[in-house]
Amino acid sequence: GDSVTQMEGPVTLSEEAFLTINCTYTATGYPSLFWYVQYPGEGLQLLLKATKADDKGSNKGFEATYRKETTSFHLEKGSVQVSDSAVYFCALGGAGGATNKLIFGTGTLLAVQP
Amino acid sequence: DTAVSQTPKYLVTQMGNDKSIKCEQNLGHDTMYWYKQDSKKFLKIMFSYNNKELIINETVPNRFSPKSPDKAHLNLHINSLELGDSAVYFCASSLRGGGDTQYFGPGTRLTVL
Repeated sequence: GDSVTQMEGPVTLSEEAFLTINCTYTATGYPSLFWYVQYPGEGLQLLLKATKADDKGSNKGFEATYRKETTSFHLEKGSVQVSDSAVYFCALGGAGGATNKLIFGTGTLLAVQP
Repeated sequence: DTAVSQTPKYLVTQMGNDKSIKCEQNLGHDTMYWYKQDSKKFLKIMFSYNNKELIINETVPNRFSPKSPDKAHLNLHINSLELGDSAVYFCASSLRGGGDTQYFGPGTRLTVL
């Protein structure tokens, strides 16, 4: 069935460090791919999305490119801030077994230290 | 203006009780969802409704019964609460289903004692 695998956390970085959180997926058809962020005590917010191969989603300095050949959607940011500390979820939706739902990865906790 | 709201934010109750969580969205979306987030932050779909019609029921125990009185509301009623029901429950909505962006409520933290 459809699934999302993302790197285990926690990821601990110093401020201004480069961030990569890996995400790979398995899906039939052509899903849309998402990164959601959950700040402490809050609900999930959409960070960015991409709907087809080679699309790049970007927001708030974060980027991810939909790579069909490697079935990946890795999240990157060039210089993290303390305020980026949160749990990041990769998700897919809109194809195969996920036509009417999102399938989430397990989440990656990012902790940025000053 | 709050796009997706849930009440209550916190719910503490005894095993065996019945409780409800309410969800409302003012985005004009057709599709609404309930997700469960466990203590390890893992998120799983429970139910999805499109225009008041149930379209997804992910093998959730029948103690859980969603109700959608109109397409802006999706409530979750839980009978005979068990310890394992303790979790954070998130409501979400999207314009349609599928690959549309889902907008999440702030969550309801349910603790069963």
